[in-house]
Order: sequence, then structure tokens, then C-alpha cells
Amino acid sequence: DSGVTQTPKHLITATGQRVTLRCSPRSGDLSVYWYQQSLDQGLQFLIQYYNGEERAKGNILERFSAQQFPDLHSELNLSSLELGDSALYFCASSPKLGVSDTQYFGPGTRLTVL
Amino acid sequence: AQKVTQAQTEISVVEKEDVTLDCVYETRDTTYYLFWYKQPPSGELVFLIRRNSFDEQNEISGRYSWNFQKSTSSFNFTITASQVVDSAVYFCALSEAGSYQLTFGKGTKLSVIP
Repeated sequence: DSGVTQTPKHLITATGQRVTLRCSPRSGDLSVYWYQQSLDQGLQFLIQYYNGEERAKGNILERFSAQQFPDLHSELNLSSLELGDSALYFCASSPKLGVSDTQYFGPGTRLTVL
Repeated sequence: AQKVTQAQTEISVVEKEDVTLDCVYETRDTTYYLFWYKQPPSGELVFLIRRNSFDEQNEISGRYSWNFQKSTSSFNFTITASQVVDSAVYFCALSEAGSYQLTFGKGTKLSVIP
């Protein structure tokens, strides 16, 4: 158990809908990262927050957005969902803002768009 | 741009055999970090090791060992006396100085047959 929690574990929804994925980092960690794992793209970095502020952006679609709240939990919002958004979404956390930090991953949220 | 290549898509070994998973990386930075993660069938990503670019000393942890060679830009992972519980997808990842994201390889699926 990494100490990172993600809810829900599974999510099934329809095209065009909007969903919110939630992540609680390890106790004391200030950085939160979101990754998407799909069969065709593999594991891809989406976005990073540090202490409430966005710090890095990867291949995140405009239909996707995220935020980190004062209690350091983070939410990833996915809207206008398409079939291709079906994937496993991981949240990771690390203690601070450093490339040397190890990122510890949560169990993931499996999103299925029908 | 950073890149990680895991040329072996799938490997099958018989229990108790040794197996080496290959990882080749590309980066222009002199400071970078390399990681291995394990993804068992249950789906979570489990951190195994972190190595920085200035430390080429090989590491051993139980049945696991890692061989880092800057000259060939490789960071290979060996499992000695493999066990069925080692069956998983193994990912090699890279982070560069100035970039907080992890760049993952496509992963190697290891099947250990009893």
C-alpha cells in the first residue's frame, strides 16, 4: 500500500458525460501527479500540482482539467467523454517539488466510456 | 527529448530461472533519474528502485538486481530465481532535471510459469 488513495476504483459512464476522479496523496506529500494508462498510448503524464498550484502539464486534453485543494487532495475532471478516454487513471504523489523525488502511485481509477 | 525503450514486450520463463529486463533511455541532460515500477495483475503501480545519473553502482535487493551503465544508456533489471509472484508488467521510467514528469517505457510483461 503506497498510501495514495483514489476513488472511485471503477467508473462506467456514457459518451458526452462528465466525471470527477479523486486522489488523496500520502501524508505530508505536497506534489500530486496524474497519469493516464491506455493500451495504445501506454503510461502518459497529464498534469502536476504542487501545494495547490499547477506546475507542469503534459499531454492533457482541453476537455480535462484538474485542481489541488488546500487539504492537498486533487481532482481530475474529464468532460465530453469519448470512447477513447477509456483508460486507467493514476494519481501519484511525492514529498516536494524535485526531479529526484520518487512518485508513489495510487491504485488507479478504471474509467470505461460506453 | 527524453525517451525510454523497453524492447522486450513479453517474456516467459519457468519458475526458478533468472530473467533480465532491458531498458534503454535517451536524454540530453547530465542529471536525471531512472526508476523501475512493477504493475501486477491487480493493476497498481509499485515502486521498485530509483537511481540517479551520478551513481553507477549496481544495486541488489534480495532476488532483484539492477545494472546501470551510462556508456550504453541502459538500466537493466534482473530477477534471480524467478517466482510466480514476479509475474507482472515492469516499467522503466526516466525523469530529467527541470521536468517533474516521469517518461515511461511501454513495459515488459513477465510471465513466470510454475
